Amino acid sequence: AQTIHQWPVAEIKAVGSPLSLGCTIKGKSSPNLYWYWQATGGTLQQLFYSITVGQVESVVQLNLSASRPKDDQFILSTEKLLLSHSGFYLCAWSPVGGAEEQYFGPGTRLTVL
Amino acid sequence: GDSVTQTEGPVTVSESESLIINCTYSATSIAYPNLFWYVRYPGEGLQLLLKVITAGQKGSSRGFEATYNKETTSFHLQKASVQESDSAVYYCALGGSNYNVLYFGSGTKLTVEP
Repeated sequence: AQTIHQWPVAEIKAVGSPLSLGCTIKGKSSPNLYWYWQATGGTLQQLFYSITVGQVESVVQLNLSASRPKDDQFILSTEKLLLSHSGFYLCAWSPVGGAEEQYFGPGTRLTVL
Repeated sequence: GDSVTQTEGPVTVSESESLIINCTYSATSIAYPNLFWYVRYPGEGLQLLLKVITAGQKGSSRGFEATYNKETTSFHLQKASVQESDSAVYYCALGGSNYNVLYFGSGTKLTVEP
């Protein structure tokens, strides 16, 4: 069975500090990977997607970047956090080809102070 | 643009009552929209409730139903008799034929009272 793990579970960071959030999928080869963000009370927005190692497409610009260093790993990062980055970050995967639903991780709660 | 609008929450209903959560979509750049309902139960992750990829078809799961209506660009979620265990946040979502981008509605928090 496939499992998706996100780390950390929660993070409190200062404005201007760097950030790195991670996501790992086990049990599935070459999945499509996705990052989502939801501000408190806001809509769940897709940020990035990746269909293969080393390739990432941006969907929404939020002064964040994403990378896929390994087949099963997706990283979300920024060098300087903004207050507006606070929220809930979700990683998701779907089978190759994308013609299936997306499966979501447990999420990371980020608070920027 | 491409977007989804759904019933503003929170919604509170009594057990055994009927439920409808409205969802309408705009798919200006998606030739063949696919429609989904996702649900997040308390303490759990976001998961797919049902999906429909063909206009005119109905999807169903756990007693919930939704019909993909291309004419009215709607995908309303309905249940004839809700239970306390249906309390959750429900999200309508729109995808393209390659599913690489999903557009979510704002979510509707449902509370079912005993």
